Amino acid sequence: ETGVTQTPRHLVMGMTNKKSLKCEQHLGHNAMYWYKQSAKKPLELMFVYSLEERVENNSVPSRFSPECPNSSHLFLHLHTLQPEDSALYLCASSQGFRQLDYGYTFGSGTRLTVV
Amino acid sequence: QQQVKQSPQSLIVQKGGISIINCAYENTAFDYFPWYQQFPGKGPALLIAIRPDVSEKKEGRFTISFNKSAKQFSLHIMDSQPGDSATYFCAASSRTGNQFYFGTGTSLTVIP
Repeated sequence: ETGVTQTPRHLVMGMTNKKSLKCEQHLGHNAMYWYKQSAKKPLELMFVYSLEERVENNSVPSRFSPECPNSSHLFLHLHTLQPEDSALYLCASSQGFRQLDYGYTFGSGTRLTVV
Repeated sequence: QQQVKQSPQSLIVQKGGISIINCAYENTAFDYFPWYQQFPGKGPALLIAIRPDVSEKKEGRFTISFNKSAKQFSLHIMDSQPGDSATYFCAASSRTGNQFYFGTGTSLTVIP
């Protein structure tokens, strides 16, 4: 399989649940990202992981917790979410951190609905 | 503060017409400007990108026009087709930055 793969594609969870989103890239890239996509808003960067550095958006609530066990896998752990967290969560990768010459490769996203 | 401003929010074009989407930025450190295309149920995909050392870049029916002094860039889709119906995002970054800054997206509908 090639590119960036995200699972699950759709997720419905209650506010007291704990779930995880998974992202895997098969491109040999060294940086991975989590973005939140909400209607009529710019894509919001949540986390960046690379071999060199981890970068967090300080406005992201602690109910979102990233994990990057290696350069090919990225997880987003979710707990006690709120309905306003419902959105499309996109994973992306790039060749390197601070090497954006070739842009991002995005996965297809996980559509999250919090009920 | 929104780093990249995109307009219009939505656009309807007749088949064969020209679709034009505009973006503006403030940060003069930005030196890489990609456009992404997103179909329903898919993630954004890189469509075309430009650096500020050129004023125009063309790939097939897609052209980016770049005005460095005005800090504006636009996407032109010539001979628009129904298959071009998608959401288009502009973005900007500095080459050594740690992220892209995205516009809010333009929903393009090309009617037959």
